[in-house]
Amino acid sequence: LAKTTQPISMDSYEGQEVNITCSHNNIATNDYITWYQQFPSQGPRFIIQGYKTKVTNEVASLFIPADRKSSTLSLPRVSLSDTAVYYCLVFFRNTGKLIFGQGTTLQVKP
Amino acid sequence: EPEVTQTPSHQVTQMGQEVILRCVPISNHLYFYWYRQILGQKVEFLVSFYNNEISEKSEIFDDQFSVERPDGSNFTLKIRSTKLEDSAMYFCASSETRDKNSPLHFGNGTRLTVT
Repeated sequence: LAKTTQPISMDSYEGQEVNITCSHNNIATNDYITWYQQFPSQGPRFIIQGYKTKVTNEVASLFIPADRKSSTLSLPRVSLSDTAVYYCLVFFRNTGKLIFGQGTTLQVKP
Repeated sequence: EPEVTQTPSHQVTQMGQEVILRCVPISNHLYFYWYRQILGQKVEFLVSFYNNEISEKSEIFDDQFSVERPDGSNFTLKIRSTKLEDSAMYFCASSETRDKNSPLHFGNGTRLTVT
């Protein structure tokens, strides 16, 4: 099973761009990379998902290099409300099972 | 936007008692999941469910746990004889398919406290 590694915590300031990198060295051919956000006492919320190159939506961008052994979630111009735990996950297409790692706790300061 | 709803939001029970956690997945979704999160720890997969049967389960999901879709809308997790270590947030999730374009949608969880 592909495992993910990401920084345990990051600090940022309002208005800055935040990049959170995740490594998934043994990702398999059919695996997708998915990012979720979790606020305290709430369920994880889907942010973005990708297979290769770059994916962008209204919330974030996801950069995946050609070897797909890592990925970077980019949050443009963060605000205080972006303070949360961000999880990088590998989506196993065969089972649809998401395996959560420890996540990155992002603290946005004023 | 459709949501996954879970009830109750908080359940307190005594050790050894049975509890049933309830979830209403998004109506056109076909795949259902339970995850749990012990306070301060990561979100852990418990079980996935499709077509009225378990698709996959983790080592956590032992004989004390069972899942059921008793009607067309509810999806339940039963713990037969609760233990102190079952205290956690339990999240239900659903997805339309298992395709890459069908992410999991999570409810806001049931906080189970076993005393």
